Amino acid sequence: GENVEQHPSTLSVQEGDSAVIKCTYSDSASNYFPWYKQELGKGPQLIIDIRSNVGEKKDQRIAVTLNKTAKHFSLHITETQPEDSAVYFCAAMNTGFQKLVFGTGTRLLVSP
Amino acid sequence: DTAVSQTPKYLVTQMGNDKSIKCEQNLGHDTMYWYKQDSKKFLKIMFSYNNKELIINETVPNRFSPKSPDKAHLNLHINSLELGDSAVYFCASSLGQGGGYTFGSGTRLTVV
Repeated sequence: GENVEQHPSTLSVQEGDSAVIKCTYSDSASNYFPWYKQELGKGPQLIIDIRSNVGEKKDQRIAVTLNKTAKHFSLHITETQPEDSAVYFCAAMNTGFQKLVFGTGTRLLVSP
Repeated sequence: DTAVSQTPKYLVTQMGNDKSIKCEQNLGHDTMYWYKQDSKKFLKIMFSYNNKELIINETVPNRFSPKSPDKAHLNLHINSLELGDSAVYFCASSLGQGGGYTFGSGTRLTVV
């Protein structure tokens, strides 16, 4: 089955800096890669996703890149703000199996 | 107008008891899920239902029994609760295969 590894487990940056979180997946048939943000006491919230036919996707300050050959994908947050502080999860899915497998999470702390 | 709502938000109970968690979504989605988040924040799928039909059962102990009376509801009943069942349980829903998941705000279960 699919296995998703995520690094780093914690990331501290200064406000205005960029943050990068990286994930690798094991199942070459996976074709959908979402990213979720989880704030304290809340459920994970989808912030951006990418499908295997696209190499990069951007939405304002966040972007995701996908390298299918290497089986890794990354989340990039530019101009970080304190409200970006949360736990971020990557995930991967082979849509034929309808099962989203999550990475282990990255706790991002943005200091003012 | 919460999209995916779970009740209760907190549940404290003694070992050996039986408890239920309810989930409802008003998004018109056809697939619903239960995920367990442990103390290390790891999210693992337990069950998924598509149009009231069970499609994923991730080797969860048979003390856990999901029930989907219709495609907008997915409940989780747990018999003979154990200390190790303490976790946050998230309900989620999606439209079709490979769509983004919408999560509820979670139910924190504490078994004492």
